[in-house]
Amino acid sequence: DAKTTQPPSMDCAEGRAANLPCNHSTISGNEYVYWYRQIHSQGPQYIIHGLKNNETNEMASLIITEDRKSSTLILPHATLRDTAVYYCIVRAWNSGNTPLVFGKGTRLSVIA
Amino acid sequence: GAVVSQHPSWVICKSGTSVKIECRSLDFQATTMFWYRQFPKQSLMLMATSNEGSKATYEQGVEKDKFLINHASLTLSTLTVTSAHPEDSSFYICSARVTGLNQPQHFGDGTRLSIL
Repeated sequence: DAKTTQPPSMDCAEGRAANLPCNHSTISGNEYVYWYRQIHSQGPQYIIHGLKNNETNEMASLIITEDRKSSTLILPHATLRDTAVYYCIVRAWNSGNTPLVFGKGTRLSVIA
Repeated sequence: GAVVSQHPSWVICKSGTSVKIECRSLDFQATTMFWYRQFPKQSLMLMATSNEGSKATYEQGVEKDKFLINHASLTLSTLTVTSAHPEDSSFYICSARVTGLNQPQHFGDGTRLSIL
């Protein structure tokens, strides 16, 4: 699976949009972009995933650039409960039962 | 959505004790489950892949005799830390994926293991 690069930390004011970038310049055509987050002392929580089109669900929006070399996870109205480590992971659609491999992620701090 | 339940969430025990952690997929069947370990301020590290009805596959550096994995049914995998020592203290997290292309991997809430 392609490697991803994320900033180690970010701050965001409560109520504002949090935009978390991820670089995956070596992504292959059969690889999806997955986003997870881990709130302190909990297991990772699935947020969203996409291939090439922008995706939105009740938690967030995922914007993938046209060349697919980078993406941005958007939390439209960040709250204090969104403080967590966010992981961007690239994985091939036909990976079968191979597990997710986690990098260091971005530690997002939402500030009141 | 798919739920993975892990039990216990927190355990403290004396050195030399064996500890069993259970991982259940509540509303789906999981032929494969994964066990991760996470030390403070570090990312998740895969320990082993648990396969229903067969032997688990361990990552390099993980002692299979130390971390016994049993996946006896499609909804239950267990991790037993045998003769635990203080260096085994960590946050253990299990995970499973719903069958089907591009299905996300879901995680339990983790077990905080502290060995005194």
